[in-house]
Amino acid sequence: GESVGLHLPTLSVQEGDNSIINCAYSNSASDYFIWYKQESGKGPQFIIDIRSNMDKRQGQRVTVLLNKTVKHLSLQIAATQPGDSAVYFCAENSGGSNYKLTFGKGTLLTVNP
Amino acid sequence: DSGVTQTPKHLITATGQRVTLRCSPRSGDLSVYWYQQSLDQGLQFLIQYYNGEERAKGNILERFSAQQFPDLHSELNLSSLELGDSALYFCASSVNTHNAQYFGPGTRLTVL
Repeated sequence: GESVGLHLPTLSVQEGDNSIINCAYSNSASDYFIWYKQESGKGPQFIIDIRSNMDKRQGQRVTVLLNKTVKHLSLQIAATQPGDSAVYFCAENSGGSNYKLTFGKGTLLTVNP
Repeated sequence: DSGVTQTPKHLITATGQRVTLRCSPRSGDLSVYWYQQSLDQGLQFLIQYYNGEERAKGNILERFSAQQFPDLHSELNLSSLELGDSALYFCASSVNTHNAQYFGPGTRLTVL
């Protein structure tokens, strides 16, 4: 029979360009957010996190922006490289003080050389 | 390498069987989480332990159980396996209950 899978949003960029991956989260009470990168056959890899008392946080080549007004999170990757090709997930803490992460469906990023 | 280890990497078994998945958290991490990732459901939280005690439950079936041992490693037991249990099972760990979770490489379970 036909397999049913998640239809992931996809983003295709050229090597060297900047990438922006967006995420709409569901719980207005969520106070902590994480971006993960998952390559095929591997576990999710922590990229960057942000708490709700901030609206921007920068890491190495990555920036996370948080807009609590519209419940929106974005991940910006500067100078995207072929090794950045993966599925990117945002996760929000929906468990209050005892963190329980709820993951989005993910975005497939493809970097073209 | 996140520092979280999981065994086995692959597991193939038959319907009705029982399996045990094992996870060792990063050194110093007290909290362990289990997740299931399937094609149609995405990444789903199953259960969390902190320093040996169950802290939170997610979408975990009654046929599934877990525990965290005094040395902080954790095991996820899956019984009366069904075809639909075929998935990737990930363990994650964190220092405490309100910090970033780091994931292991996963166990791919195939139920035939």
